[in-house]
Amino acid sequence: DAGVIQSPRHEVTEMGQEVTLRCKPISGHNSLFWYRQTMMRGLELLIYFNNNVPIDDSGMPEDRFSAKMPNASFSTLKIQPSEPRDSAVYFCASGGGSSNQPQHFGDGTRLSIL
Amino acid sequence: KNEVEQSPQNLTAQEGEFITINCSYSVGISALHWLQQHPGGGIVSLFMLSSGKKKHGRLIATINIQEKHSSLHITASHPRDSAVYICAPKQGAQKLVFGQGTRLTINP
Repeated sequence: DAGVIQSPRHEVTEMGQEVTLRCKPISGHNSLFWYRQTMMRGLELLIYFNNNVPIDDSGMPEDRFSAKMPNASFSTLKIQPSEPRDSAVYFCASGGGSSNQPQHFGDGTRLSIL
Repeated sequence: KNEVEQSPQNLTAQEGEFITINCSYSVGISALHWLQQHPGGGIVSLFMLSSGKKKHGRLIATINIQEKHSSLHITASHPRDSAVYICAPKQGAQKLVFGQGTRLTINP
């Protein structure tokens, strides 16, 4: 089992640029989560999907952030335009969809906006 | 007040000591994760539990749903246990909320 795969591992870009983070969940998992981790706020849920449908996006900071899950094996998180305060580590996790299933985290994308 | 409070925030101990990290939460939950994060590294779920106690090697996690409290214990601690430990109660079927983490350092 390859685990949750995120790309890129590191991204450095200038403010104003569009940033796209990618996630491939574990095969067979039907829930996918995007989290952000910063020193100030710790880990926060941004959005999660069940069966490719967004269920709770209340953690998405503002309209500059958008997430899609076009199929069961791929999701993207986009920031457009990016700002320095978006600098953080972004984690994707997947789970089996029931409350008895633990979540499995990817290695994260470390994003730096200059 | 945060929904999830962990204590202590930082803990330094000598190799071999028994370690306890506590987590109190104010929200209704279906289960609770204990997560481990090494410096610069990814996040691993150590336990998910909804009642009683679970043990894995030198790690033990307990939860008391009525008191809204969970503890993570490490027996015979080792320097490789040095990491940040995060309590993450699960609200409903899916949504995790997070404690601020406990930074554990085990000195040889």
